[in-house]
Amino acid sequence: GAGVSQSPRYKVAKRGQDVALRCDPISGHVSLFWYQQALGQGPEFLTYFQNEAQLDKSGLPSDRFFAERPEGSVSTLKIQRTQQEDSAVYLCASSLSGGETQYFGPGTRLLVL
Amino acid sequence: EDQVTQSPEALRLQEGESSSLNCSYTVSGLRGLFWYRQDPGKGPEFLFTLYSAGEEKEKERLKATLTKKESFLHITAPKPEDSATYLCAAFGSSNTGKLIFGQGTTLQVKP
Repeated sequence: GAGVSQSPRYKVAKRGQDVALRCDPISGHVSLFWYQQALGQGPEFLTYFQNEAQLDKSGLPSDRFFAERPEGSVSTLKIQRTQQEDSAVYLCASSLSGGETQYFGPGTRLLVL
Repeated sequence: EDQVTQSPEALRLQEGESSSLNCSYTVSGLRGLFWYRQDPGKGPEFLFTLYSAGEEKEKERLKATLTKKESFLHITAPKPEDSATYLCAAFGSSNTGKLIFGQGTTLQVKP
């Protein structure tokens, strides 16, 4: 079966622009996670969904960040009014359930100019 | 606060020169310790999960071990294709399933 897919793979945005990043998890995976990875660092947690419910959004850095998973499958991470400090790789991961092994997508590399 | 620290930050080995990567963790009620491999421009690729102290897992030239405070990733007779960043992550009882990652160890194996 297919793994986790993310689109776009690369995104260049002008400061102040809104962006939307998409994640398609592995089919049947209940849990979905978003992480942010700065250059040379390990991923940092942003938010977690179990089916369509967002159970933890403690890692979202500001109210400009918003995530949804309306039908419990595909998820979208939206960043409003992007800033230069938002430049990073955004990783999506899915697992059968919370606490199980998480499988990662290839990431979306966001560059804000 | 849950924390994961990896050392060294970078490691250069000659092909065939065995070594170990360290992952120290401070996590309330550890429920799982994960190792991932990450190649440049790609997402982390799952390697191992360890659940309890004393547990060991092996895959080809890699062996992961776990104690109550640390995990080690032993690389035996590495090859150039083992060059990558190795990430350690912990999952504890005080959170909803999110992984706490270390900063990674970048391994370069020269032929």
